[in-house]
Amino acid sequence: TAGITQAPTSQILAAGRSMTLRCTQDMRHNAMYWYRQDLGLGLRLIHYSNTAGTTGKGEVPDGYSVSRANTDDFPLTLASAVPSQTSVYFCASSDRENTGELFFGEGSRLTVL
Amino acid sequence: GQNIDQPTEMTATEGAIVQINCTYQTSGFNGLFWYQQHAGEAPTFLSYNVLDGLEEKGRFSSFLSRSKGYSYLLLKELQMKDSASYLCAVLDSNYQLIWGAGTKLIIKP
Repeated sequence: TAGITQAPTSQILAAGRSMTLRCTQDMRHNAMYWYRQDLGLGLRLIHYSNTAGTTGKGEVPDGYSVSRANTDDFPLTLASAVPSQTSVYFCASSDRENTGELFFGEGSRLTVL
Repeated sequence: GQNIDQPTEMTATEGAIVQINCTYQTSGFNGLFWYQQHAGEAPTFLSYNVLDGLEEKGRFSSFLSRSKGYSYLLLKELQMKDSASYLCAVLDSNYQLIWGAGTKLIIKP
């Protein structure tokens, strides 16, 4: 089935440890995004990439890094996790930039203790 | 600052009609989007409005008034499977998506 695959689905992480959330899409979409979703708040953009080889900072980039080596993969790395990074993380893609029509992965629930 | 407001929670009865409102204050406007998100699942795209008026898509319709900074999502003939959160989002002048916190819709038999 075409779409976006995220891994892991759920993870508990000790504070100070590093973690990479994986995201792969098979729709050949140029643009990809990482959001976090917290109770009572709207989705917040962490980082984005309009095309392979380029990335940009979103609304809440601190503590996170991304890379876009190819069209399909867009991993999100937490170098040294803190409890405030406990959240549900969604990867999304779109077939073009400057659009609000996004396709989302199923999410990765991360708990930092 | 930029802001999207929607009710936190609404309750409706199976078979009835419900209207979920969204008001926005953003730096510019390049379209308004509605998404559905079932508990524990990914958001899925429902509708897009960029011009004033009503867009109908089956049981779901979305309305936009740009002068009032207002939109609503209308759900007709409610079914139990419509129980979900509905997210309103606006694409601002920099083509950044600004998201509301979502409205949790509870459908009762």
